[in-house]
Amino acid sequence: DVKVTQSSRYLVKRTGEKVFLECVQDMDHENMFWYRQDPGLGLRLIYFSYDVKMKEKGDIPEGYSVSREKKERFSLILESASTNQTSMYLCASSFGTSEQFFGPGTRLTVL
Amino acid sequence: EDKVVQSPLSLVVHEGDTVTLNCSYEVTNFRSLLWYKQEKKAPTFLFMLTSSGIEKKSGRLSSILDKKELFSILNITATQTGDSAVYLCAVDPYQGGSEKLVFGKGTKLTVNP
Repeated sequence: DVKVTQSSRYLVKRTGEKVFLECVQDMDHENMFWYRQDPGLGLRLIYFSYDVKMKEKGDIPEGYSVSREKKERFSLILESASTNQTSMYLCASSFGTSEQFFGPGTRLTVL
Repeated sequence: EDKVVQSPLSLVVHEGDTVTLNCSYEVTNFRSLLWYKQEKKAPTFLFMLTSSGIEKKSGRLSSILDKKELFSILNITATQTGDSAVYLCAVDPYQGGSEKLVFGKGTKLTVNP
């Protein structure tokens, strides 16, 4: 079974803090994705990566950066957290054109 | 701009009812359409549809794609309370090697006993 894990299920941070969200997949997938999910707005793509050290902006990259130093790990970084980044963050991975497999999500609250 | 629209946004039914969820899309280069079920956690994959007119089935769930009219439906027969979830539709708008999906906002289904 494909397993996508995320470092935290719940996280509370203060405005201005640097926040790291980690995602690890164990199926050697080349593609990895970060989404945020908000009520009424659905899933929105922040960044994705199709190979180690490669990254591409999604629909809402502002205020975020990513890092992919190893194939199995894709990190989302909030350089200076703001209250409007309070959200559910979902990581996903896929192989080629297959379906995306999602992690359990991290619910981030920025105070 | 690529777009996926789901309807209705929410639906409340009684156990045993049959429901139909709709997904319409506008994308430049369609490759596939996917359905996911999301309970209180991560979305889980249900179906991937690439060809028009071919129904995919899994137990009480089935889905079909109409590439001419640019829509898909997800049917759930004999609904159970465990079917309560948000159902997400996503389209793969092939963009030269990029494998990203465009998601709709989801249909929230509530099945009451």
